[in-house]
Amino acid sequence: NAGVTQTPKFRILKIGQSMTLQCAQDMNHNYMYWYRQDPGMGLKLIYYSVGAGITDKGEVPNGYNVSRSTTEDFPLRLELAAPSQTSVYFCASTKGGSNTGELFFGEGSRLTVL
Amino acid sequence: KQEVTQIPAALSVPEGENLVLNCSFTDSAIYNLQWFRQDPGKGLTSLLLIQSSQREQTSGRLNASLDKSSGRSTLYIAASQPGDSATYLCAVLYGQNFVFGPGTRLSVLP
Repeated sequence: NAGVTQTPKFRILKIGQSMTLQCAQDMNHNYMYWYRQDPGMGLKLIYYSVGAGITDKGEVPNGYNVSRSTTEDFPLRLELAAPSQTSVYFCASTKGGSNTGELFFGEGSRLTVL
Repeated sequence: KQEVTQIPAALSVPEGENLVLNCSFTDSAIYNLQWFRQDPGKGLTSLLLIQSSQREQTSGRLNASLDKSSGRSTLYIAASQPGDSATYLCAVLYGQNFVFGPGTRLSVLP
């Protein structure tokens, strides 16, 4: 049982480059989330989705974009990378609706922008 | 806006001690509260989930309580072990989103 899978685990980008962080879950969860975690800080919500075709901004969406074409996948796109986007990115999912319960996390993607 | 705080920010105890971690939230309109464990360089693992209608949950040496009216939750760890060393985060489900506290970094010394 894979759970939530994130790729890549590590990536170094140059300023101005773009990339996509991949997230996939195999638990048939409706709700999916992208967070970033900076050293010594809590998690900040970037974007979330409550189902295929539905996405919404979180607390820190600037510089990022998402799409949700299937229930399983929720990729996060970084456009024109900046040093401020150096962080660890976590994808998470939960059942959602009246069954919203345990939140499952991926292992994280560590991104450095130089 | 929902805000979640955790006290203390860091804690160092000798092995075998019982300890309490605290989590506070500003808006009591939550659906549930979860406690997570995060090891260095790793993702978050859910430890306990308390629904808004519940008062506490237990798993092994862990016990979490929830008092919605006062906006507080505590995580009690009995007979701490070096393997319990990690960062512990609490999160509340508020609307459709989970709001996280900054975490408590726990070190259990052998």
